[in-house]
Amino acid sequence: EAQVTQNPRYLITVTGKKLTVTCSQNMNHEYMSWYRQDPGLGLRQIYYSMNVEVTDKGDVPEGYKVSRKEKRNFPLILESPSPNQTSLYFCASRRQGAGVNTEAFFGQGTRLTVV
Amino acid sequence: RKEVEQDPGPFNVPEGATVAFNCTYSNSASQSFFWYRQDCRKEPKLLMSVYSSGNEDGRFTAQLNRASQYISLLIRDSKLSDSATYLCVVNGGWGKFQFGAGTQVVVTP
Repeated sequence: EAQVTQNPRYLITVTGKKLTVTCSQNMNHEYMSWYRQDPGLGLRQIYYSMNVEVTDKGDVPEGYKVSRKEKRNFPLILESPSPNQTSLYFCASRRQGAGVNTEAFFGQGTRLTVV
Repeated sequence: RKEVEQDPGPFNVPEGATVAFNCTYSNSASQSFFWYRQDCRKEPKLLMSVYSSGNEDGRFTAQLNRASQYISLLIRDSKLSDSATYLCVVNGGWGKFQFGAGTQVVVTP
């Protein structure tokens, strides 16, 4: 089954304690990205990757890091989480390009609370 | 101006009625378009791609108007299960998708 898997689904942590949210896809997609979703603001892109070892900032990259060492994995790292990073996070993957077969597939989301 | 704009709603629709709403985009070079459905605090799921000539999938019809730079979604014979937020997604090409903030639809008995 084609899927994007995120872990953990729920996480409560304290300010400053480094954490990693994992994301893995089994569709051999080149393109992967991370979003955060906050009430009234919609989905905002944090980072994206167009292929292995190729990553770039999205709209709200401050406070986040990513890596793409393998095609299937794209972890999101918060080196020093702060309360304003409390949010719902989604990982997504899709084929590269701009045609109609480039729809994105989303992970189930990670609800992060930083206290 | 946001790159993709949607009326946030909510659109309150009686069961069995028709509802339609639009999404405007600012990048005239955008090449592909999608409607996603998102249930409360769950992941967005693809509802349908939007083709240049318009397309239909059961009770759902999507249209693209490149001249005026908008896409539309029409839901016929609304069901209670259609209650959700509908996200407009625009693929501008090399790089990232642009998401609208979503249109909330509430179907009432």
